Amino acid sequence: AQRVTQPEKLLSVFKGAPVELKCNYSYSGSPELFWYVQYSRQRLQLLLRHISRESIKGFTADLNKGETSFHLKKPFAQEEDSAMYYCALRNTDKLIFGTGTRLQVFP
Amino acid sequence: DGGITQSPKYLFRKEGQNVTLSCEQNLNHDAMYWYRQDPGQGLRLIYYSQIVNDFQKGDIAEGYSVSREKKESFPLTVTSAQKNPTAFYLCASSIGLPSSGNTIYFGEGSWLTVV
Repeated sequence: AQRVTQPEKLLSVFKGAPVELKCNYSYSGSPELFWYVQYSRQRLQLLLRHISRESIKGFTADLNKGETSFHLKKPFAQEEDSAMYYCALRNTDKLIFGTGTRLQVFP
Repeated sequence: DGGITQSPKYLFRKEGQNVTLSCEQNLNHDAMYWYRQDPGQGLRLIYYSQIVNDFQKGDIAEGYSVSREKKESFPLTVTSAQKNPTAFYLCASSIGLPSSGNTIYFGEGSWLTVV
């Protein structure tokens, strides 16, 4: 079955520390993966997608098919990165979301 | 910001009553979606619509109904058959389906509390 797993409900780091939000998936075909972010009092929005191989707000995510992972990384966390992060997998015409990880960045 | 408007933001209903959540978009998007967000469970797809007068069940459609009479509108009715209706409901839309590489945009959500 297609599934997205985010093992951490909460990740707390200090400003300037590296951040890695974990995402693992199970999918029988060629996966297409995304990271969505929800800042406080804002709507859920797309952060990045793996096919673009882009860096947004200093975040990057590499698809590792061998480990079936799509971890989100940032070398130096900022307070404004505090938010809820969701990993998502495209399954034909739908997106399957993980349960989300709340990132707290302390000053 | 605009784009996708959900109303009301907060809604209280008595158990056994049907309730309809509104979702309107002015982005000229063909595809629209309804998700339910519960603590610790992420987002789960209720219904989606590719085009006017057409819609498909998502993963948790039981106890819900939708209509798509106009391109810009995709209301969700939470019926009395839904066993756990209290939740945060998110409406979304995209130009086309995700299979074509289209980004999904979300509304601000509606909190439904059934007492």
